[in-house]
Amino acid sequence: GQNIDQPTEMTATEGAIVQINCTYQTSGFNGLFWYQQHAGEAPTFLSYNVLDGLEEKGRFSSFLSRSKGYSYLLLKELQMKDSASYLCAVMATGGSYIPTFGRGTSLIVHP
Amino acid sequence: DGGITQSPKYLFRKEGQNVTLSCEQNLNHDAMYWYRQDPGQGLRLIYYSQIVNDFQKGDIAEGYSVSREKKESFPLTVTSAQKNPTAFYLCAGRTEEDDGYTFGSGTRLTVV
Repeated sequence: GQNIDQPTEMTATEGAIVQINCTYQTSGFNGLFWYQQHAGEAPTFLSYNVLDGLEEKGRFSSFLSRSKGYSYLLLKELQMKDSASYLCAVMATGGSYIPTFGRGTSLIVHP
Repeated sequence: DGGITQSPKYLFRKEGQNVTLSCEQNLNHDAMYWYRQDPGQGLRLIYYSQIVNDFQKGDIAEGYSVSREKKESFPLTVTSAQKNPTAFYLCAGRTEEDDGYTFGSGTRLTVV
């Protein structure tokens, strides 16, 4: 089985930087996803990490350390519209391509 | 525009009634998935289908049924056997080339 842990809620100030952590335990690792979900809406894909290291996409970056079972999502120059839930999902080996989702981190950005 | 369409967005049903949630896609997704989302919980997999006329149970399939008669459509039926059906239901799809899922906009089901 898999166990995914991320903080329930975080708050940050507009214009600041925030790091959302995700730790996981899995029997075989085949990639980690980050999704953004605004309240009542569909999750949207942010990133997919398979190899160790940092991947940057504009204001968002995602980091992975497979040896530590650890990832983080870094959001820079925070905007009010970044207030959302951020979902970490881990895919195990096995061929079915079905990730297991964490409970999500609710990020509140205030002025 | 291509996408995954779920309808309706809000659905109310009386306890004991079966209800079917629609999921249609025009993205040529081979695989389609149904998830349930409850407050404070992660997405939990109900059923998935990787090819037409075939589907597999997910982690919480009890009280649900699906069909995949054509590639574009993957409807979910919430039966009266589902003990706690009130939730937000998300349909998703992917092709082999995709890194992640594409999600529909969800259906919020309330059973009264």
